[in-house]
Amino acid sequence: QKEVEQDPGPLSVPEGAIVSLNCTYSNSAFQYFMWYRQYSRKGPELLMYTYSSGNKEDGRFTAQVDKSSKYISLFIRDSQPSDSATYLCAMRGGGGGSNYKLTFGKGTLLTVNP
Amino acid sequence: EAGVAQSPRYKIIEKRQSVAFWCNPISGHATLYWYQQILGQGPKLLIQFQNNGVVDDSQLPKDRFSAERLKGVDSTLKIQPAKLEDSAVYLCASSLNRITDTQYFGPGTRLTVL
Repeated sequence: QKEVEQDPGPLSVPEGAIVSLNCTYSNSAFQYFMWYRQYSRKGPELLMYTYSSGNKEDGRFTAQVDKSSKYISLFIRDSQPSDSATYLCAMRGGGGGSNYKLTFGKGTLLTVNP
Repeated sequence: EAGVAQSPRYKIIEKRQSVAFWCNPISGHATLYWYQQILGQGPKLLIQFQNNGVVDDSQLPKDRFSAERLKGVDSTLKIQPAKLEDSAVYLCASSLNRITDTQYFGPGTRLTVL
């Protein structure tokens, strides 16, 4: 079992739709959870960052973490064509040494159609 | 603030040839990372530097890959000799320090090995 599993997609939605992106993980040591957005032929950029369980909202984006289920989600409200990108979940532990290493999911390719 | 710079952006070589990639991190960032991103996969950490010292190179294929960060600023990643399976995007990222989560990624170097 991979440490981080991510819905493969691709996902295609109409403009204005609510998008739900998800990842599951197996390593209970993970404490910090991130979502990166990667446009075609660009490097990933940090979109959302959450520590432990709970919700975090930033504009149209909401990140949720459920550590009991080892499940994280990213919701995009009122999706726009400019949201079309690959979304990568990433996570790491909180201790020292290699626990700081980020483990990424495979990414979900999202297309928002005008 | 200037971002992470990488060169070249694209490289095509034949198997068994050697290749080198260059990265200039954001000014003042002590931690530098090299990732390999194979098509359809998330980034995989190859090596992490703290200033000019190696923190983690556990996933670096040391028989063919090498990296250095002289003077704790710029870094080069070398592959010698290249194999077909090395075809990927090589991403460089930097962060203020190992504790800070925000890793800023460069645009990457797309390597094709024929």
